[in-house]
Amino acid sequence: EAGVTQSPTHLIKTRGQQATLRCSPISGHTSVYWYQQALGLGLQFLLWYDEGEERNRGNFPPRFSGRQFPNYSSELNVNALELEDSALYLCASSPGVTGNTIYFGEGSWLTVV
Amino acid sequence: AQKITQTQPGMFVQEKEAVTLDCTYDTSDPSYGLFWYKQPSSGEMIFLIYQGSYDQQNATEGRYSLNFQKARKSANLVISASQLGDSAMYFCAMREKTNGVQGAQKLVFGQGTRLTINP
Repeated sequence: EAGVTQSPTHLIKTRGQQATLRCSPISGHTSVYWYQQALGLGLQFLLWYDEGEERNRGNFPPRFSGRQFPNYSSELNVNALELEDSALYLCASSPGVTGNTIYFGEGSWLTVV
Repeated sequence: AQKITQTQPGMFVQEKEAVTLDCTYDTSDPSYGLFWYKQPSSGEMIFLIYQGSYDQQNATEGRYSLNFQKARKSANLVISASQLGDSAMYFCAMREKTNGVQGAQKLVFGQGTRLTINP
C-alpha cells in the first residue's frame, strides 16, 4: 500500500513568487494535514482538510492557503514568498477525524532565495 | 493550552543498549492521544507508536515501547537493543482537540531529541 506522497521533493523560488506543493494521502484516508518545519522552529500546524473542507488552520498569514480535491489529494499554495518561508513542508493523512494513526509523507523542501 | 516538553536536546548511546527518550505533556482534556515519530536526516516523519489516554496497557511496537505514566503526565519512548539506523530526531506529539471536535487530529509537537547511536 502506497504511503503519503508529496511533490515536488525540492523547490527553489525567488522572493515574491508563488509556490504550490502537492500531497496524495494514503488510500482511504479523508483527512489531510499540512505542517511547516522551519529551521529552529519545530513543526508548526498549517492547515487541516477533511472531506474537501478546511477544518482548521494554524497561526499563519492568509497567503498560505490550500484546498482538498474530491479524490482527497491536497495542494498547499504559498503566495508572495518571503525568505522565512524556506522550510520543509510535511503533509500527513489520517482515516477521518477519529483515527489514531497519522502518517506523514517525505516532505517538500522549499527554498526561497 | 496543550503542551509537549522534550527535555533532552541530544542523546548519545552505544549500539545494542536500550535508550529512553523523555516526553512530558500538559493538558486538561481527559481524552487525548500521544504519538512518537522518528525523523531521519531525509526529512520524512516516520510513525512509531501511539498511546491513547484511556488505554489500559502501555503501547508496544516491535523494539519500541511507550512508558505511559498518566498521573505524572509522561509518555517516554523506550527503544530496546538500539541499532545504528536508529540515529535520528525523535518527536513526541499530542493530539489536540480542535474546533470542539472529539478526536480531531491536530498534533502539537515537542522540540525533539536528536539520538545518536555509536558503534
